[in-house]
Amino acid sequence: GAGVSQSPSNKVTEKGKDVELRCDPISGHTALYWYRQRLGQGLEFLIYFQGNSAPDKSGLPSDRFSAERTGESVSTLTIQRTQQEDSAVYLCASSPGPRSSNQPQHFGDGTRLSIL
Amino acid sequence: AQKITQTQPGMFVQEKEAVTLDCTYDTSDPSYGLFWYKQPSSGEMIFLIYQGSYDQQNATEGRYSLNFQKARKSANLVISASQLGDSAMYFCAMREGNRDDKIIFGKGTRLHILP
Repeated sequence: GAGVSQSPSNKVTEKGKDVELRCDPISGHTALYWYRQRLGQGLEFLIYFQGNSAPDKSGLPSDRFSAERTGESVSTLTIQRTQQEDSAVYLCASSPGPRSSNQPQHFGDGTRLSIL
Repeated sequence: AQKITQTQPGMFVQEKEAVTLDCTYDTSDPSYGLFWYKQPSSGEMIFLIYQGSYDQQNATEGRYSLNFQKARKSANLVISASQLGDSAMYFCAMREGNRDDKIIFGKGTRLHILP
């Protein structure tokens, strides 16, 4: 498809398990972002990639969270030893890159993560 | 310190009235961009409008316009002739500089349009 694709759309797991969330950005978009949105709340910035590098990791809540991006395309967000407070929708977005500063981010539909 | 402030957690507006959603921002970078997004109950994020810091005129897109007051660092969204389908969460966001692509969001305003 032409948009940002995230998988899985829903994930239910037990506390303490590791989870991997995947994001496929729009082809050619060099910038990729991860956000967390708790129920009824705003978007909390987690991390963004410019190409394969992550200039800003300041939003990652703890060392249980990590993200990587390969081939300037797919990105995975990994949460280790999940806790109940990790329950949220994780949104991925992409944009063309720094020379297109007036271009908005395009968002995926998110992964709804529920920790039992 | 918060970079994007949306002071109205919720608003109720009568259908067909105009509505203004407030957004103030904080940056020392002379080059920045401001965005508004709509998030209906379905959860998707819909881009509405963009304003660049060097743009001379206020941005407009159909029923949406942005009241950009640079000196006051405010970028309020105005929706004219509101419709029931405008009921949603609205987020203001900012990108600083030309190199840094990081975009920060405000906490949002939930808009309810009353019939």
